[in-house]
Parts: sequence; structure tokens; C-alpha cells
Amino acid sequence: SQKIEQNSEALNIQEGKTATLTCNYTNYSPAYLQWYRQDPGRGPVFLLLIRENEKEKRKERLKVTFDTTLKQSLFHITASQPADSATYLCALPGFSGGYNKLIFGAGTRLAVHP
Amino acid sequence: SAVISQKPSRDICQRGTSLTIQCQVDSQVTMMFWYRQQPGQSLTLIATANQGSEATYESGFVIDKFPISRPNLTFSTLTVSNMSPEDSSIYLCSVEPKLQETQYFGPGTRLLVL
Repeated sequence: SQKIEQNSEALNIQEGKTATLTCNYTNYSPAYLQWYRQDPGRGPVFLLLIRENEKEKRKERLKVTFDTTLKQSLFHITASQPADSATYLCALPGFSGGYNKLIFGAGTRLAVHP
Repeated sequence: SAVISQKPSRDICQRGTSLTIQCQVDSQVTMMFWYRQQPGQSLTLIATANQGSEATYESGFVIDKFPISRPNLTFSTLTVSNMSPEDSSIYLCSVEPKLQETQYFGPGTRLLVL
């Protein structure tokens, strides 16, 4: 069955450094991959979508890579700030009962320290 | 994008009772989803609720336990029936606007069953 793995341990980094989060998947060939941010007590917020034919995508301080051979996506936050502290989820498209759906990883909690 | 509200934001319920969660969207959308997120876990899709058709439930979720209504393109309800402490969780609704491959989430309903 399809499986998505994100590092369950929290990532602690110093302000100003680059945070790198990993999303690995198996038994899957997704057409795209998405990253979401979730703050405590809130629903996830969409950040970026990268397609299978795109190697890299950027949005302000965010960069996502997508390696379909390794079945891995890396999510980078450059010049990290304490406000970037949150849980980051990767999500892949699935198909169920005739409708598209998203399958989410467990998420990695990022803590940026001043 | 879409702005989504949920009611109630939180509730404490007794075992054996039922709770209906409302989800309101500020625009008309065809595809609406209901998720459950247990503490420290990722989002698990309960069902896809599309207007004009019956909800499609994921493996492990049944209509008798989680009946869903979708009376129009801006509103849906999820009922958690005959609750037990194992139903304590955050319940989130999301929408996927037409021609977009991303989902927008409500703030969630935090449910505690005693």
C-alpha cells in the first residue's frame, strides 16, 4: 500500500539557519506532491505544489525539490525565523471511489530558536 | 482560495451521545472532505462529500457512525454517532475548489468524549 514517511522527531534549529525537512514515499508514482504548514489548534495551510516533471520550486524563502527516482521530496526554509516554527506536512494525491483525495504524512515539527 | 468556518470549535461530550459538526464555505465548491486528526497524528480522511451524491467513505469509516450531509455547495455536516472516548480527536473539513489541486482547511473541531 502507499506509504508516506516524514521524520517524526522534531527539528530544532537556530534562527537564520536553513531548515531541511524530508518526505519519502513508497509504492507510489504521484503526479505531484504538496507541502502544508499546520500551527497548533489550526487546520493545515497550503504552501507549495511541485509536479513530477519539476525538479525544484521556490516561493520566497521556501524551496521544494522532488526526486521521483529516490521517491523523495525535500522542503527547505532559508533564513529561518521563530515564526516558521510549526508542523510541516507533505501530501500526495490518491484516488478513491471516483474522486481525488490527498494522503498526508505524519508531519515534522520544526522549532526555530532565537 | 476559500475561507472555511466550523462549528463548534470544541466540545466535551458524554459517551453514547452524538455530535454534529458544521462546515461552512464562503464560496461554492463541489468537493468537500472530512478528516480526523488524533493527538500527535496526521490527518486521516474519513469521507469525501460531494454535493448531489452520497458521501464516499474511506476504509475503516462507515456511514452509520459518521453520517454526512451535503445539502448545497457551501455547507456540510458530519455527525459523530454513539461516541466513545476513542472518538476524541480533532475533526477538520476541507474543500478543493474547482481547477485547483490544493485543499483549504477549516480551523477544526476539538472533541473530547468522556
